[in-house]
Amino acid sequence: DGGITQSPKYLFRKEGQNVTLSCEQNLNHDAMYWYRQDPGQGLRLIYYSQIVNDFQKGDIAEGYSVSREKKESFPLTVTSAQKNPTAFYLCASSLPQGTYTEAFFGQGTRLTVV
Amino acid sequence: AQSVTQLDSHVSVSEGTPVLLRCNYSSSYSPSLFWYVQHPNKGLQLLLKYTSAATLVKGINGFEAEFKKSETSFHLTKPSAHMSDAAEYFCVVRQLLSNFGNEKLTFGTGTRLTIIP
Repeated sequence: DGGITQSPKYLFRKEGQNVTLSCEQNLNHDAMYWYRQDPGQGLRLIYYSQIVNDFQKGDIAEGYSVSREKKESFPLTVTSAQKNPTAFYLCASSLPQGTYTEAFFGQGTRLTVV
Repeated sequence: AQSVTQLDSHVSVSEGTPVLLRCNYSSSYSPSLFWYVQHPNKGLQLLLKYTSAATLVKGINGFEAEFKKSETSFHLTKPSAHMSDAAEYFCVVRQLLSNFGNEKLTFGTGTRLTIIP
């Protein structure tokens, strides 16, 4: 079945460490997104990519980095520069811009700083 | 600029009674609108979508929503609530920002639906 796989489901990070969250999709979607979810704030866009080897900053990109070397994969690195990384992270994908179709979401990764 | 306002952060209804979750949007261009549901520690699942076809949209699990351009609203309804409907619901607008194809998804802050047995 087609879908989006995020791993790990739970992740713990020590202060000052970088961690990478995985996102893989087999839907053949060109566009992929990373969102951060905090209680009472909805979802906020971190980065998005419309095509391989290209990505754009979203609303809260500071302290995060991404790569898009393959169409299927869009990993997110939470760097030590991100001062408050504890959150629920969601990856999504969709058909190309302009098609007015929905985004499909992974099951999320919960990151906790210890 | 586009925005989405979910008017209630928390709604409680008794099982078997109607559900109404309210959403208002602002958009410079003709938007696409979506409702997603999220169960605890899970991803988002699409309930229904409006993409400029019929203004009354039917979705999964008995939910439906009506697009009212004059009121800039896209409220979600269900005639009879079930215990399994307890979850967080998000209203989302997807909008073209320019003729160059750039677009953006904007999420509301969510409405937590509680079902009383």
